[in-house]
Amino acid sequence: DAGVTQSPTHLIKTRGQQVTLRCSPKSGHDTVSWYQQALGQGPQFIFQYYEEEERQRGNFPDRFSGHQFPNYSSELNVNALLLGDSALYLCASSKDSFDTQYFGPGTRLTVL
Amino acid sequence: LAKTTQPISMDSYEGQEVNITCSHNNIATNDYITWYQQFPSQGPRFIIQGYKTKVTNEVASLFIPADRKSSTLSLPRVSLSDTAVYYCLVVSGGFKTIFGAGTRLFVKA
Repeated sequence: DAGVTQSPTHLIKTRGQQVTLRCSPKSGHDTVSWYQQALGQGPQFIFQYYEEEERQRGNFPDRFSGHQFPNYSSELNVNALLLGDSALYLCASSKDSFDTQYFGPGTRLTVL
Repeated sequence: LAKTTQPISMDSYEGQEVNITCSHNNIATNDYITWYQQFPSQGPRFIIQGYKTKVTNEVASLFIPADRKSSTLSLPRVSLSDTAVYYCLVVSGGFKTIFGAGTRLFVKA
């Protein structure tokens, strides 16, 4: 049984560009959450998706948007990239919002 | 959402038992406590979760006193590979999981 998978593993973009990160949840999970982790800090909650809708959002600007597909996979989109968006982006899935979250390996985004 | 406080770092030696205590004074009745382990450039790995008293699994134990204002993660007989950052979380319905800065555990030979 595959766990949470994320793609790509690494990504390099320049300021002003847009990026899309992808996540496939663990089998049997229907809830996906996204986190941003800057170097040396704990993960920061971006938002959570359930039944293809954003259910809760952290303190992130509208440049950060997402989508969940009928198969429960999810995308994180970031527009107008800033240098400060460089981070490890983590996806976590769970059976529902009350269940334990299981994390993927992350996507390392570098903005130059 | 309950805020958590944990030591910034801890050192230990191989074979020792390590106890990491987390305080969460504002924990609500329905909240539960979860611990994750994270290695550099990897996603956090679930270790253990509990609501009250003691929970034990194959890798750790979690002790939660009656007032639930703190919890202690116990790692028996640590090895070099246990060097990592350990996060204590208070989960409030799972909608908005808040990570603190974590505890950096360094295990020496």
